[in-house]
Amino acid sequence: SYVLTQPPSVSVAPGKTARITCGGNNIGSKSVHWYQQKPGQAPVLVIYYDSDRPSGIPERFSGSNSGNTATLTISRVEAGDEADYYCQVWDSSRGVFGGGTKLTVL
Amino acid sequence: EVQLVESGGGLVKPGGSLRLSCAASGFTFSSYSMNWVRQAPGKGLEWVSSISSSSSYIYYADSVKGRFTISRDNAKNSLYLQMNSLRAEDTAVYYCARDTSQGWFDPWGQGTLVTVSS
Repeated sequence: SYVLTQPPSVSVAPGKTARITCGGNNIGSKSVHWYQQKPGQAPVLVIYYDSDRPSGIPERFSGSNSGNTATLTISRVEAGDEADYYCQVWDSSRGVFGGGTKLTVL
Repeated sequence: EVQLVESGGGLVKPGGSLRLSCAASGFTFSSYSMNWVRQAPGKGLEWVSSISSSSSYIYYADSVKGRFTISRDNAKNSLYLQMNSLRAEDTAVYYCARDTSQGWFDPWGQGTLVTVSS
């Protein structure tokens, strides 16, 4: 089965840039979607189709995907960005999530 | 407003059964694939099952195949998950989520907690 690998945690100071990676075999050939989940809340879509932003998501959120790694980039990080982030793809008609990355704003 | 509201969660003994429901509103339910995604306490997201708009295509995670059954009633704008032979490891918050035919999940419901314990 297809496996997505994310770092368990990423820490960043306010105003800096956070990069959260999602590794998978030839993931660049798949469409990657990213979700933000804050404690006690349902996940929220922040990036779809590798790099598109849903309406209402700040331009500070961006994504890229190539080779074996997809990346979610959050620029000018704010305290409110502290959350768990999950990448997701489809493989053989089954949904696959990465293990999640906890973003800590220092 | 597009909205998904789950119900039916609760405490059930190992080996028992439970039926979850997800009521959809604010969009043309019959035009979208739907999914169940779960999250065990303190753990990450796990995709459980998906069903196409007309119920023609149904898929399950290996961890629930043969025990869970997904279904929908487009006339009632509702999604269901029949869970049988429940195990302790099925304990989780279960979310329903809309998707664009194997695209992204958006929106998600608020989730319903299923606890399997004796």
